[in-house]
Amino acid sequence: EPEVTQTPSHQVTQMGQEVILRCVPISNHLYFYWYRQILGQKVEFLVSFYNNEISEKSEIFDDQFSVERPDGSNFTLKIRSTKLEDSAMYFCASRGAGNTIYFGEGSWLTVV
Amino acid sequence: DAKTTQPPSMDCAEGRAANLPCNHSTISGNEYVYWYRQIHSQGPQYIIHGLKNNETNEMASLIITEDRKSSTLILPHATLRDTAVYYCIVRGAFSSGSARQLTFGSGTQLTVLP
Repeated sequence: EPEVTQTPSHQVTQMGQEVILRCVPISNHLYFYWYRQILGQKVEFLVSFYNNEISEKSEIFDDQFSVERPDGSNFTLKIRSTKLEDSAMYFCASRGAGNTIYFGEGSWLTVV
Repeated sequence: DAKTTQPPSMDCAEGRAANLPCNHSTISGNEYVYWYRQIHSQGPQYIIHGLKNNETNEMASLIITEDRKSSTLILPHATLRDTAVYYCIVRGAFSSGSARQLTFGSGTQLTVLP
């Protein structure tokens, strides 16, 4: 069964450093998403992406965040200058032409 | 998207059916009911979705009331691996060119007991 894959599974970074989280969506999917989940809290929407541009973003997705689809397979989330409060599990998701969004297993980011 | 209400937690004995309720009294005619689950620290996993009719797949059954104001997710023979947070989400159909997202609430923590 096709799946969304994410790397790294876990990353520890120092405050102020840049982090790039990578995702390979399901092949032939056209819609891409990033969500995050702070430990013990709800899964929160960050951004959606379609046709090489941001479709929708939440208040969390400020100027420190950016997304990119650098080639035909990868979808990345960049945090320019990490803060302690960016520590969370980040989930990538994708959707094809149908009504179902599929999620990856997540990248756990710890900012120290 | 319509608001949903779920009990915060439920227990179920292993091997028995788990019936997870969801209220969505403000659902509109073109909104679907989706169910996802999240096993501890893993990504949300799609289970099933439906509009009006009851649906069944290899994981679960979805029963939607005739007035569509509530639904029940049924796991017919719960196992210990079904212990997870289950999310009921209501949203409109995904249209072509629209990357609208899903909004997760707090869900129901289902604990399957041995």
